[in-house]
Amino acid sequence: AQSVAQPEDQVNVAEGNPLTVKCTYSVSGNPYLFWYVQYPNRGLQFLLKYITGDNLVKGSYGFEAEFNKSQTSFHLKKPSALVSDSALYFCAVRPNSGYSTLTFGKGTMLLVSP
Amino acid sequence: DVKVTQSSRYLVKRTGEKVFLECVQDMDHENMFWYRQDPGLGLRLIYFSYDVKMKEKGDIPEGYSVSREKKERFSLILESASTNQTSMYLCASSPHTSGYTDTQYFGPGTRLTVL
Repeated sequence: AQSVAQPEDQVNVAEGNPLTVKCTYSVSGNPYLFWYVQYPNRGLQFLLKYITGDNLVKGSYGFEAEFNKSQTSFHLKKPSALVSDSALYFCAVRPNSGYSTLTFGKGTMLLVSP
Repeated sequence: DVKVTQSSRYLVKRTGEKVFLECVQDMDHENMFWYRQDPGLGLRLIYFSYDVKMKEKGDIPEGYSVSREKKERFSLILESASTNQTSMYLCASSPHTSGYTDTQYFGPGTRLTVL
């Protein structure tokens, strides 16, 4: 069975500082990995995904994520945080073969202070 | 832009009522999904559909059923609502491509309270 762990319920960072939101996964075979963001009172929005190829994936709003197969991680990063980045972030995984649905992590609340 | 709409943003129902949550997408997507979102539990898949009149159980289907009579519409039904079904319900859709690598697009959610 596939699973996702987001070890931090909340991450606090000051505006202008770099941010990292952690995600580790477990899946049979190779993974497809996704990051979504949820702003208050909104549905989830797609940020980026890793399918194959380059381990560093660039996405929307200046976010990027690094796939590390040996550590089974897919951490979300941004060089300089904005107050408007404050939101709930979800990591999701599925195997890259066969028919399978996404498994989401429990989410990490990112709070960026001015 | 893909648009996924849900019939209500907020809904209050009484225990034992039959509840219908409607979801419509306008991008001709084959796949549609229903999730519930609870604090500390993330998103959990209730049911999904890969085609009209087709449905598959997700991780937590108990107490729910679904209907997909048209490609663009996917309904979630609570046959007899209970207080433990108070939650945020999210609908999503995605195109059906080889390997299912495609992004899911989410609606704004329906916050259901069962009294």
